[in-house]
Amino acid sequence: DGGITQSPKYLFRKEGQNVTLSCEQNLNHDAMYWYRQDPGQGLRLIYYSQIVNDFQKGDIAEGYSVSREKKESFPLTVTSAQKNPTAFYLCASSMGRITEAFFGQGTRLTVV
Amino acid sequence: DQQVKQNSPSLSVQEGRISILNCDYTNSMFDYFLWYKKYPAEGPTFLISISSIKDKNEDGRFTVFLNKSAKHLSLHIVPSQPGDSAVYFCAAIAGAQKLVFGQGTRLTINP
Repeated sequence: DGGITQSPKYLFRKEGQNVTLSCEQNLNHDAMYWYRQDPGQGLRLIYYSQIVNDFQKGDIAEGYSVSREKKESFPLTVTSAQKNPTAFYLCASSMGRITEAFFGQGTRLTVV
Repeated sequence: DQQVKQNSPSLSVQEGRISILNCDYTNSMFDYFLWYKKYPAEGPTFLISISSIKDKNEDGRFTVFLNKSAKHLSLHIVPSQPGDSAVYFCAAIAGAQKLVFGQGTRLTINP
């Protein structure tokens, strides 16, 4: 079955530690995205990538980093520079410009 | 700057009646609009979309209306069912493949 997989579903980290969230898709989609959702807020774009080895900052990229070495994978690193890292993180992918994006199940990150 | 706005954080509708969710946008370059449905602790799932060259798109119980002059779109669900209870996000695309989402509206269908 084709799909987009995020792991882990729940993640706990101590303050000051970097943490990497995994996102893998086997849909052969070119574009991939990372969003963050906080309670009572919409999805805010962190980073996106339209092709391998290329990515752009979204609206709230500070404190985050990404890589796109393979078409299938778009990992997100939450660094210690991110002031409020506790949130629900969603990865998505899409084929082209005029199409719906498919989302993963999300990773809930809690920093203590 | 919130380019896509859903001004109603919540909506409660009786089962069997029509649910109308609204969305406003400010960027006139948006040319494709989508609605997503989201359950707690899950990723959003695509529901229905509309191109800016159309003013209506229908899929079963779901209809999306687009009013470009007012920069407004709405999602109609009729008849509403208990399984429709979820958070609904509208989203828009312009130019560089960047989906912009609204804040979401929590729809509750009462029996």
